[in-house]
Amino acid sequence: QQQVKQSPQSLIVQKGGISIINCAYENTAFDYFPWYQQFPGKGPALLIAIRPDVSEKKEGRFTISFNKSAKQFSLHIMDSQPGDSATYFCAAPQTSGSRLTFGEGTQLTVNP
Amino acid sequence: DTEVTQTPKHLVMGMTNKKSLKCEQHMGHRAMYWYKQKAKKPPELMFVYSYEKLSINESVPSRFSPECPNSSLLNLHLHALQPEDSALYLCASSHRVAARNQPQHFGDGTRLSIL
Repeated sequence: QQQVKQSPQSLIVQKGGISIINCAYENTAFDYFPWYQQFPGKGPALLIAIRPDVSEKKEGRFTISFNKSAKQFSLHIMDSQPGDSATYFCAAPQTSGSRLTFGEGTQLTVNP
Repeated sequence: DTEVTQTPKHLVMGMTNKKSLKCEQHMGHRAMYWYKQKAKKPPELMFVYSYEKLSINESVPSRFSPECPNSSLLNLHLHALQPEDSALYLCASSHRVAARNQPQHFGDGTRLSIL
């Protein structure tokens, strides 16, 4: 099974700062990269997603950057807020589309 | 509020009990999934249903029995569970299993505790 490697495992950022989470993948057949945000006691919620034919996608304070040659993609949270404190998972579908391969998750804490 | 609804939110059961988890979606999705999530870990796929038929069983023990009565409902029947089965059980749905670029939408899960 193809893997998605996510880093860092945990991240502490001051309010107003930039949070950066990185993921690396192996399978070049991946063609869709969603990011999920999970708050304690809740299920993962789709935050933003990107296709590899696009190098960057921005939605509000959240931006995905994609580097196809390096097989890496990253999530940038601009002007981080305490309400952004959550666990973030990157993911990629297996070729069949039926399985999502998740990264190990990043626990983000934004201090006030 | 999520568009995938799971009940109950919490469940405590003994190892000899029989219980069921329920999942419902009204987005017209034809693929539904069960995941198990342990603390501080990513969700692990258990089962996939495509058009109400079981298409993937990730070698899940038989004490977990899924059922898809119709395109909107997904059940997970539990029997003789072990303490290590305590976890958050998540249901998800997507338009179709083989549909590329279609995200999976998750419910908020059932927090299961086995005594």
